[in-house]
Amino acid sequence: QQQVKQSPQSLIVQKGGISIINCAYENTAFDYFPWYQQFPGKGPALLIAIRPDVSEKKEGRFTISFNKSAKQFSLHIMDSQPGDSATYFCAASNAGNNRKLIWGLGTSLAVNP
Amino acid sequence: GAVVSQHPSRVICKSGTSVKIECRSLDFQATTMFWYRQFPKQSLMLMATSNEGSKATYEQGVEKDKFLINHASLTLSTLTVTSAHPEDSSFYICSARIERERGAGAYTDTQYFGPGTRLTVL
Repeated sequence: QQQVKQSPQSLIVQKGGISIINCAYENTAFDYFPWYQQFPGKGPALLIAIRPDVSEKKEGRFTISFNKSAKQFSLHIMDSQPGDSATYFCAASNAGNNRKLIWGLGTSLAVNP
Repeated sequence: GAVVSQHPSRVICKSGTSVKIECRSLDFQATTMFWYRQFPKQSLMLMATSNEGSKATYEQGVEKDKFLINHASLTLSTLTVTSAHPEDSSFYICSARIERERGAGAYTDTQYFGPGTRLTVL
């Protein structure tokens, strides 16, 4: 059972456009929702994270929107650039289990120049 | 800050040999370290959770005698793939958990990842 469902599986966006990736979760005990960016052959890098006490968090061109009642959160990449082309993973965790991350299946983003 | 290193970055070995991968948190002490395995174009699969000074907790289906984990200090964890076979070929990634009080009631609890180790077993 996939506890964190991520969509779409792949996404193609034109340079300057907005990339939107969505995730939904089941476990209401989750209280930490990070997004990671991964380039081929590299480890994931923390991009931005949110806790459920806020509905939105923005860092530069990256914004997380969080809807607690719908149990959904999304990543918006504004003014998408070719250098943003990577795989993006959403994840979720709660205070138990050493904060083990439960991962989405990933979204492969390609930004065309 | 929050840099995690892995060594080696890639290793090629013959079937039947053992391979050790090191994971170090360079500028912080990690409460917990995690070991993942990732197949091409797939998500990360957690193999085990490692706390300094105690036995690792393995995920269901992961052979603890096959994948030996030692967490000797708050900055070093090692994964040894014993008697490696071609099906063990994969991308292995570690992460280190940092918990930090940041003042004014703020609290950080985040995982930072190493660059990964590409293991190829011939």
